[in-house]
Amino acid sequence: DAKTTQPNSMESNEEEPVHLPCNHSTISGTDYIHWYRQLPSQGPEYVIHGLTSNVNNRMASLAIAEDRKSSTLILHRATLRDAAVYYCILRDASQGAQKLVFGQGTRLTINP
Amino acid sequence: GAGVSQSPSNKVTEKGKDVELRCDPISGHTALYWYRQSLGQGLEFLIYFQGNSAPDKSGLPSDRFSAERTGGSVSTLTIQRTQQEDSAVYLCASSLVIAGNYEQYFGPGTRLTVT
Repeated sequence: DAKTTQPNSMESNEEEPVHLPCNHSTISGTDYIHWYRQLPSQGPEYVIHGLTSNVNNRMASLAIAEDRKSSTLILHRATLRDAAVYYCILRDASQGAQKLVFGQGTRLTINP
Repeated sequence: GAGVSQSPSNKVTEKGKDVELRCDPISGHTALYWYRQSLGQGLEFLIYFQGNSAPDKSGLPSDRFSAERTGGSVSTLTIQRTQQEDSAVYLCASSLVIAGNYEQYFGPGTRLTVT
């Protein structure tokens, strides 16, 4: 599995935007970029995924670099509930359903 | 709709005993996964089932661990002769298998404590 690199932790203030970076320099052409987050004492939950184009959904936006070697998860207006560990994961779509390989993720702290 | 459910939510067992953990996936999801998360550790893949294919058991840490999925739905993870290092939160997830999108839905987990 292609590897991703994320900062161990980040901190932001409530109601401000948050940009969570992820580097994936060895990404292959069939790798999708997935983001999951894990709130305290809960199982992970899907946030967003993309292949080449930027993506938006109700939770967040995903900005993908033109060379696809990095991406950024954007929370437009952070709330206290967004405090979680955020995982950036590459998944090869040509391989069918497959396990998620979690790294250490970024622990996001939101200050009131 | 109903999400992935797991039971029990908490299990305390004595070292050497066998335990069974249950997962009820979302109805219609053909893929089912087991992961575990030890205290202070990341999420570790254990096993996954997809339809009628042979399961991928590559993440099982020892032969004390086994899992089955009956009727393409409910799954049971069994740990025999439990050890203290088996203490962790065991998470189950399920997904549809649609080209390009394999979003996994996780259950709340079973917290296993081996004393």
